[in-house]
Amino acid sequence: NAGVTQTPKFQVLKTGQSMTLQCAQDMNHEYMSWYRQDPGMGLRLIHYSVGAGITDQGEVPNGYNVSRSTTEDFPLRLLSAAPSQTSVYFCASSLETGSTYEQYFGPGTRLTVT
Amino acid sequence: GDSVTQMEGPVTLSEEAFLTINCTYTATGYPSLFWYVQYPGEGLQLLLKATKADDKGSNKGFEATYRKETTSFHLEKGSVQVSDSAVYFCALSAANQGGKLIFGQGTELSVKP
Repeated sequence: NAGVTQTPKFQVLKTGQSMTLQCAQDMNHEYMSWYRQDPGMGLRLIHYSVGAGITDQGEVPNGYNVSRSTTEDFPLRLLSAAPSQTSVYFCASSLETGSTYEQYFGPGTRLTVT
Repeated sequence: GDSVTQMEGPVTLSEEAFLTINCTYTATGYPSLFWYVQYPGEGLQLLLKATKADDKGSNKGFEATYRKETTSFHLEKGSVQVSDSAVYFCALSAANQGGKLIFGQGTELSVKP
């Protein structure tokens, strides 16, 4: 299994540009999520999905859109990039084990907005 | 709302020293608790977990005990190695919240030979 894959690994955007961060998993996990990591703030949840066709907002959803047309893929779209969106973005998928969920993270996308 | 607080880093230790990274949480109900580790340039990996009070999670020589009375989940290792240098994140998943994780700010550990 490849696990959780993310592309691209690095990206530089100009303010106002749009782009899509790709995320795919081959573990047949129903639950997928996007986090952003900023220095001194840990990881914060942007959007999540409990299955194909179902998405919901996390803690910091503004400026981002998601969709989930298949179990495997969960792309994150930046509509109009802003410098405040400079961050490292992690996609994760979850396996339910008993009473909790174990999350598997992708390698991340480092995004710089100038 | 629910939250996680970790001790601030960076933490610098000599090889074979004892490690403690403090983590406390605020949550309603009975959350699951996790420690994740992030090595330089990589994503997060689950290190250990505990799903109920008094559970002890352990992996690769690291341990943490779910203490409901003190709302804590401190990470410990008896003898650290240079290869343990990484950023460590404490996190919780609240009951009935699916896989949503709430993270602490992370603690950077640097182990010197």
